[in-house]
Amino acid sequence: EAQVTQNPRYLITVTGKKLTVTCSQNMNHEYMSWYRQDPGLGLRQIYYSMNVEVTDKGDVPEGYKVSRKEKRNFPLILESPSPNQTSLYFCASSLTTSGPYNEQFFGPGTRLTVL
Amino acid sequence: AQSVSQHNHHVILSEAASLELGCNYSYGGTVNLFWYVQYPGQHLQLLLKYFSGDPLVKGIKGFEAEFIKSKFSFNLRKPSVQWSDTAEYFCAVIPIYNQGGKLIFGQGTELSVKP
Repeated sequence: EAQVTQNPRYLITVTGKKLTVTCSQNMNHEYMSWYRQDPGLGLRQIYYSMNVEVTDKGDVPEGYKVSRKEKRNFPLILESPSPNQTSLYFCASSLTTSGPYNEQFFGPGTRLTVL
Repeated sequence: AQSVSQHNHHVILSEAASLELGCNYSYGGTVNLFWYVQYPGQHLQLLLKYFSGDPLVKGIKGFEAEFIKSKFSFNLRKPSVQWSDTAEYFCAVIPIYNQGGKLIFGQGTELSVKP
């Protein structure tokens, strides 16, 4: 089944404890992206990757890191989480970023709470 | 800055009522337009998209949307809603020449359908 998977689905952690949220897609998509969803703000892009070893900042990159060493994986790293990073995180992927195949497929989400 | 505005934050309807959710975007160039739906506790799923051609787009589950370029609008419609349509609906835009492939989301509209 074509899908985007994320782990963990739920995470409660404490301020300053490094964590990684994994994202993997099995559709051979070039483009991958991380969003955070907060009430009343919709979804905002954190980082994106156009292809392997190509990553760039989105709208709200502060406090996050990413890497794209393989096409299928795009982990989100919080080196020193803070309470304002408590949010619902979604990973997404698409075949391309232009043309008729740029619809993005979303993972199930990771609900992160930072105490 | 590019933005997407959804007119209603929360809409309450009875079953069989007609639905129209407004969406306007602020970008003067060519865009791809999307409506996503998020059922309670689930990830975002694509309802429909506009890439080019016929401005009236039909999607899954009886939804349709009309792209009116002169009004920068992409309103979502359904003639007769069901209880199972209760969800949050997001309008999103990708400006064609957006290097980041970023989906720009509206704030979302929560739809509650009373049985």
